[in-house]
Amino acid sequence: SQQGEEDPQALSIQEGENATMNCSYKTSINNLQWYRQNSGRGLVHLILIRSNEREKHSGRLRVTLDTSKKSSSLLITASRAADTASYFCATDVLQGAQKLVFGQGTRLTINP
Amino acid sequence: DAGITQSPRYKITETGRQVTLMCHQTWSHSYMFWYRQDLGHGLRLIYYSAAADITDKGEVPDGYVVSRSKTENFPLTLESATRSQTSVYFCASSSPGISNQPQHFGDGTRLSIL
Repeated sequence: SQQGEEDPQALSIQEGENATMNCSYKTSINNLQWYRQNSGRGLVHLILIRSNEREKHSGRLRVTLDTSKKSSSLLITASRAADTASYFCATDVLQGAQKLVFGQGTRLTINP
Repeated sequence: DAGITQSPRYKITETGRQVTLMCHQTWSHSYMFWYRQDLGHGLRLIYYSAAADITDKGEVPDGYVVSRSKTENFPLTLESATRSQTSVYFCASSSPGISNQPQHFGDGTRLSIL
């Protein structure tokens, strides 16, 4: 069963624009993680945000978390062609159990 | 080089055959995971392991067997492959912690069952 659901399923923008992806989840979490997957490769961890945090930054990435709405967003600023990938949110199942439940992902295409 | 490697990268086999997918990590992470990735389903957890000789079922364990005799290796075996097991399989590892830690993924095995 999917805990996180990303929206939109696909997003196509011009290079230099900002890209925003959203993730909604159903049950309480301790933390939420975002991953990137380039075509034909494994997932790469981008950022982790804890349930007591509202916003976190890493380079051109900005993640927000609203636990009251059970939602998170990933913003990529000043997008580049290399940002073309699928992006997944993942939520923990049980604190400390290390199991994650992944959403189905947003496929982001950056057009030159 | 440190990391997590999966082999083979591509495999074609026939229904009914046994096939084993290998996963090796050099970080000495205690946790290891097997996922399958299918269109429309995202990543689904097959099995995971908290340490050597400790394994547990995930969301979709039927038809799969795992073992973990050494911390660094976590092979996944399809005992009698079926067409529905055609998928891309990913192995991942993570450190233990009070809260969930980032997972590190291999580049996957693309398995086709004819």
